[in-house]
Amino acid sequence: EAGVAQSPRYKIIEKRQSVAFWCNPISGHATLYWYQQILGQGPKLLIQFQNNGVVDDSQLPKDRFSAERLKGVDSTLKIQPAKLEDSAVYLCASSFTGGNTEAFFGQGTRLTVV
Amino acid sequence: EDKVVQSPLSLVVHEGDTVTLNCSYEVTNFRSLLWYKQEKKAPTFLFMLTSSGIEKKSGRLSSILDKKELFSILNITATQTGDSAVYLCAVGGGSNYKLTFGKGTLLTVNP
Repeated sequence: EAGVAQSPRYKIIEKRQSVAFWCNPISGHATLYWYQQILGQGPKLLIQFQNNGVVDDSQLPKDRFSAERLKGVDSTLKIQPAKLEDSAVYLCASSFTGGNTEAFFGQGTRLTVV
Repeated sequence: EDKVVQSPLSLVVHEGDTVTLNCSYEVTNFRSLLWYKQEKKAPTFLFMLTSSGIEKKSGRLSSILDKKELFSILNITATQTGDSAVYLCAVGGGSNYKLTFGKGTLLTVNP
């Protein structure tokens, strides 16, 4: 079974530029999560999708971050404009139903904003 | 706001030692507690616990949940250098099964 795919693996941008990350979850997984993990901290949930609908985006900085999951499969997370404090690993995870099942993580994208 | 607190934040032991990692939580409508191991980037799943008092075991790792006292422990016996990693505790709660993570425990096992 293929795992959660993310790209790119690494990205370096200057502040105020924009960047986009892509995630392809495990086939059949209805729930998709985007997490931000700053060095030395645990993953922080940015947004959670159930199929193509948003069920939680309470911690998403909506003035600069946006995400979509068209057709309930792939998802894209965008930052525009980026700030220095956005430097982090962005992890995508998916789970089958979103209820009492484990979430599987992709390898993440390491973003450095200079 | 849901909260997951792990302790200690870091731990250094020698090979062969036994370690206990702690996770306490305050979550609305608790549904399950999960442990993950993170070595480089992607956390990998270890255990999911939903019922109090039932130990989950996999090799040298074991975990148990106490839903009355709102905590879980992860035990690793006869530690090896390959156990060096960050161990993350996450709690699933709410009607949408929001997964909230703690800060993790950095375990270093020295030869």
